[in-house]
Amino acid sequence: GAVVSQHPSRVICKSGTSVKIECRSLDFQATTMFWYRQFPKQSLMLMATSNEGSKATYEQGVEKDKFLINHASLTLSTLTVTSAHPEDSSFYICSARRLGSGNTIYFGEGSWLTVV
Amino acid sequence: AQKVTQAQTEISVVEKEDVTLDCVYETRDTTYYLFWYKQPPSGELVFLIRRNSFDEQNEISGRYSWNFQKSTSSFNFTITASQVVDSAVYFCALRMNYGGSQGNLIFGKGTKLSVKP
Repeated sequence: GAVVSQHPSRVICKSGTSVKIECRSLDFQATTMFWYRQFPKQSLMLMATSNEGSKATYEQGVEKDKFLINHASLTLSTLTVTSAHPEDSSFYICSARRLGSGNTIYFGEGSWLTVV
Repeated sequence: AQKVTQAQTEISVVEKEDVTLDCVYETRDTTYYLFWYKQPPSGELVFLIRRNSFDEQNEISGRYSWNFQKSTSSFNFTITASQVVDSAVYFCALRMNYGGSQGNLIFGKGTKLSVKP
């Protein structure tokens, strides 16, 4: 079956640094990828929608300069948390829409970010 | 506006009991998809089922069953003879079928199920 891989699965970074999370569709092309954020014991909230070759569309309240999303190819989208703060510590998960498959969505395994 | 409501925040049952997780959704569109996902403590989302708005047949998969009723905008999930391994947070989600945002899931807040031995 289709696989979406996220890397790293867990990352700890120092406050003020930037961290990049990758989301790859391993065996299919994904025209659209979605990034979600989940705080402890809360639901998944959509942060942004990224389409290959164009700028990401951010949800209201999400700082585009802080959460940089790049979708440079049909198999890779990256989320960069810039100048990370402890309050950015969260679970980030991506999903990818498979091109030509009836819009089937596949989720990555998620990435735990801890900012210290 | 689209919305998914999972009114049960936490449910605790004893092993072998049946348990139903409720999901109520709101949408004005006639074409949409409904999902259930399981999220164990490790965090990953485990896909359980997808149902489109035109298919109201109930579905059974092993100990899992789903009851989709458009008349009440509900898509409830029942686990029969629950097991400790069923302990997780379960999310109900709604997905629209239009425009460039196809694929964006709107999640409920989740129901934490604890199955005790």
